Amino acid sequence: NAGVMQNPRHLVRRRGQEARLRCSPMKGHSHVYWYRQLPEEGLKFMVYLQKENIIDESGMPKERFSAEFPKEGPSILRIQQVVRGDSAAYFCASSPSASLDGTDTQYFGPGTRLTVL
Amino acid sequence: GENVEQHPSTLSVQEGDSAVIKCTYSDSASNYFPWYKQELGKRPQLIIDIRSNVGEKKDQRIAVTLNKTAKHFSLHITETQPEDSAVYFCAGRGSASKIIFGSGTRLSIRP
Repeated sequence: NAGVMQNPRHLVRRRGQEARLRCSPMKGHSHVYWYRQLPEEGLKFMVYLQKENIIDESGMPKERFSAEFPKEGPSILRIQQVVRGDSAAYFCASSPSASLDGTDTQYFGPGTRLTVL
Repeated sequence: GENVEQHPSTLSVQEGDSAVIKCTYSDSASNYFPWYKQELGKRPQLIIDIRSNVGEKKDQRIAVTLNKTAKHFSLHITETQPEDSAVYFCAGRGSASKIIFGSGTRLSIRP
């Protein structure tokens, strides 16, 4: 059973370009979470998605960032018109469900390291 | 809003000694507290978790305690080994489903 997959593992973009990060959850998992980790810092929640629905996007910047988790295919985190401050590691995590008492374990992918030149 | 504070930010212990990392949380609805270990350049790995109906949980050299009244929880690593060197994150998860992470503790094990 493959774990959470993310690609690309490394992405270099120039200022103003678009970055598209992909996340395939573990088999049987229908919940995806995206986190951002700046160098030497902790993990910051960005967005929580289920298939075709955004459940919580309270951690995502209002402009330039968007996320989707279509019925078929991976979840996509899209950053438009990237700036140097977007340089970070972006991790996604998946869980089989978000149980009513919030105890479902999240498993992390290897991350995408975005560098904006 | 929800917040998880973690101390210390760095910790250096002699190999074989114990290490303790402490966290506090603000959301009284939080009922699930995972701990993650992150080695340099790698993904966070779940090492242990505790639910609010349990006060203590142990897995070999790792133990976690939870005090819901005081809203704090701790990670204890005994008989530390060089491979325990990493950044450790505590986290809390409440009814909103998202996990709120602490700021991390960089643990170094001195030979």
